Amino acid sequence: AQKVTQAQTEISVVEKEDVTLDCVYETRDTTYYLFWYKQPPSGELVFLIRRNSFDEQNEISGRYSWNFQKSTSSFNFTITASQVVDSAVYFCALSEALAGGTSYGKLTFGQGTILTVHP
Amino acid sequence: NAGVTQTPKFQVLKTGQSMTLQCAQDMNHNSMYWYRQDPGMGLRLIYYSASEGTTDKGEVPNGYNVSRLNKREFSLRLESAAPSQTSVYFCASSAAQGTQETQYFGPGTRLLVL
Repeated sequence: AQKVTQAQTEISVVEKEDVTLDCVYETRDTTYYLFWYKQPPSGELVFLIRRNSFDEQNEISGRYSWNFQKSTSSFNFTITASQVVDSAVYFCALSEALAGGTSYGKLTFGQGTILTVHP
Repeated sequence: NAGVTQTPKFQVLKTGQSMTLQCAQDMNHNSMYWYRQDPGMGLRLIYYSASEGTTDKGEVPNGYNVSRLNKREFSLRLESAAPSQTSVYFCASSAAQGTQETQYFGPGTRLLVL
C-alpha cells in the first residue's frame, strides 16, 4: 500500500526565515507521481508542483524549491525568505495507477504540515 | 472557466437524513474524485470515477454512494448521515491522459451531522 508521511505536524517561523517541509513516501510502483498542495486558511487546495518518478531534477519556482531524492524516498519542499502569506497547511501526495495501470490519479495524502509565518 | 465547482458550500444534517453533494467540472477532464478531510488525517479518497460510466471505491467508501452523471458531473450521496461523516468534502478532477496527471480541487463542502 502507498503511504506518505509528513512528520512535521506544525512549523512556526518568523518572516524571512527559510523553512523546509519534509515528505517521505512508500510505494511499490516504479512509476508514480509526487505532488505538493497548499491549503490556505480560506480552505481551497492549490496545486503547487507535480514530479514524476523518473525525473529527479530539483525544481525552483521563485521562492519555492523542491528536492526529490529517490534513494531516500523523499520529496522535500523549501520556502526561501518566508512571508506571512505562506501561512497555510501544506500537503504532500503520491499518485498511483488507476485500474488498468495506464494512467494515474488516485492520490494518497500525507497528514499535512501547518506552517505559520509570523511577521 | 470555473474549474471545479461544488454545491452546497455548507450543510447541517440530522443523523439519519440523506443528502447529495454535487460536483461539476468544465475542464473536459475524464477522471473525477471525492475526498474527505478530517483533522490530522489529510485527505482520504472516498470514491473515484476514472472515466464516464465507471466508478470505483477508494479508501473510505462505507456510507457513501456516487453517480457519474455525465462527463462533467460527479455526485456523492449520503443515504443515512451519521455524526462520523462530519467532515469537509472535496471533489477533484484530472485529465487522466497517460502521464499528464494533476488533480484540481473544488472549494469544498463543509458537512456537519448532528
